[in-house]
Amino acid sequence: QVHLVESGGGVVQPGRSLRLSCAASGFTFSSYGMHWVRQAPGKGLEWVAVISYDGSNKYYADSVKGRFTISRDNSKSTLYLQMNSLRAEDTAVYYCAKNHSHMDVWGQGTTVTVSS
Amino acid sequence: DIQMTQSPSTLSASVGDRVTITCRASQSISSWLAWYQQKPRKAPKLLIYKASSLESGVPSRFSGSGSGTEFTLTISSLQPDDFATYYCQQYNSWWTFGQGTKVEIK
Repeated sequence: QVHLVESGGGVVQPGRSLRLSCAASGFTFSSYGMHWVRQAPGKGLEWVAVISYDGSNKYYADSVKGRFTISRDNSKSTLYLQMNSLRAEDTAVYYCAKNHSHMDVWGQGTTVTVSS
Repeated sequence: DIQMTQSPSTLSASVGDRVTITCRASQSISSWLAWYQQKPRKAPKLLIYKASSLESGVPSRFSGSGSGTEFTLTISSLQPDDFATYYCQQYNSWWTFGQGTKVEIK
């Protein structure tokens, strides 16, 4: 059974940092690109970042470019999102998703709240 | 950037109704379009990919059509479990979602 489990969310002050993790199981993690997608409270879905299967290519939405870093550890089947210089508008549920061009498997999400 | 526009934003329907949701792209995306269903406090679930391919395990009452800039998601006979929000997503150039269509009980 393919499974993605996010963790690391919480309440953080503006300007601080947070690192999210996404643990994968049930498929060959090292063969697939992976995404982060977020959803602000009461809003729609926003693509955040993608990383290639081997970590050699990374792309970001303009809204997070220069502040967020996507990475992966294929030996641990884990995806990461390092979020620096957090802003109130980064408050959202963050989902990781398996890439098949479209996103065929999603985690349950982890909530990040940026507030003083 | 490619913009995705869904209509309507909200749709009121009854069990058994045929429901159609439209998604328009700001430029041609060929058939690189997916549809997702999301229920409150749950992760999105893939329904359709490549505009018309049904994801494994998804009921056959869901279907997708279109190419280029105009796409539709059709639910042939709405079931109680189908009341949810639906999103289209293009993956021709990066990834962009539509704003969502909430299907609610009439």
